Amino acid sequence: GAVVSQHPSRVICKSGTSVKIECRSLDFQATTMFWYRQFPKQSLMLMATSNEGSKATYEQGVEKDKFLINHASLTLSTLTVTSAHPEDSSFYICSARDFADTQYFGPGTRLTVL
Amino acid sequence: GQQVMQIPQYQHVQEGEDFTTYCNSSTTLSNIQWYKQRPGGHPVFLIQLVKSGEVKKQKRLTFQFGEAKKNSSLHITATQTTDVGTYFCAGRVNSGGSNYKLTFGKGTLLTVNP
Repeated sequence: GAVVSQHPSRVICKSGTSVKIECRSLDFQATTMFWYRQFPKQSLMLMATSNEGSKATYEQGVEKDKFLINHASLTLSTLTVTSAHPEDSSFYICSARDFADTQYFGPGTRLTVL
Repeated sequence: GQQVMQIPQYQHVQEGEDFTTYCNSSTTLSNIQWYKQRPGGHPVFLIQLVKSGEVKKQKRLTFQFGEAKKNSSLHITATQTTDVGTYFCAGRVNSGGSNYKLTFGKGTLLTVNP
């Protein structure tokens, strides 16, 4: 199946710093990528839909100025958590959708904000 | 907005017993997808169902899509310890455009006692 990579896999940062997470589709082009957040033992919460070459669409309650998304190419989307705080600590997962409408998930990034 | 309900939330079985998780949508779906997430891992795509009443099998796994395209089920026959994980359903509503999204159920955590 298709492969989606995510980097870094784990990051620990101080409160107030910004963290960038990269999501890449390695063997297919993805016009649409999705960013999710998952708390322990809970389901995936969609944060935003990232479309190549256009602005991301954010879900209700997600601050677009705090979670900056850039989808610069058909294989790369980035999520930047700006001025991170401890409550932003979570597991962030991206997914990329192929032309068959299947979403392939990246391995996730575990963010810990001290 | 669209809601996808999934039950049960947890299921513990003895190895060799069968397991079923159910998914219900508040709206008619254009397709439904199933994912498996192992503990500590990321969601992995299992299958997509598109047609009304569709049934698909993958070895010991049987997936069904309801006639009204509002519910679905995943049945595992004779569970094994390797089946442990959280099973998510995700429904897609066809909004008519290309910027659609999946709505995930809360997942069913399956544990298997050897």
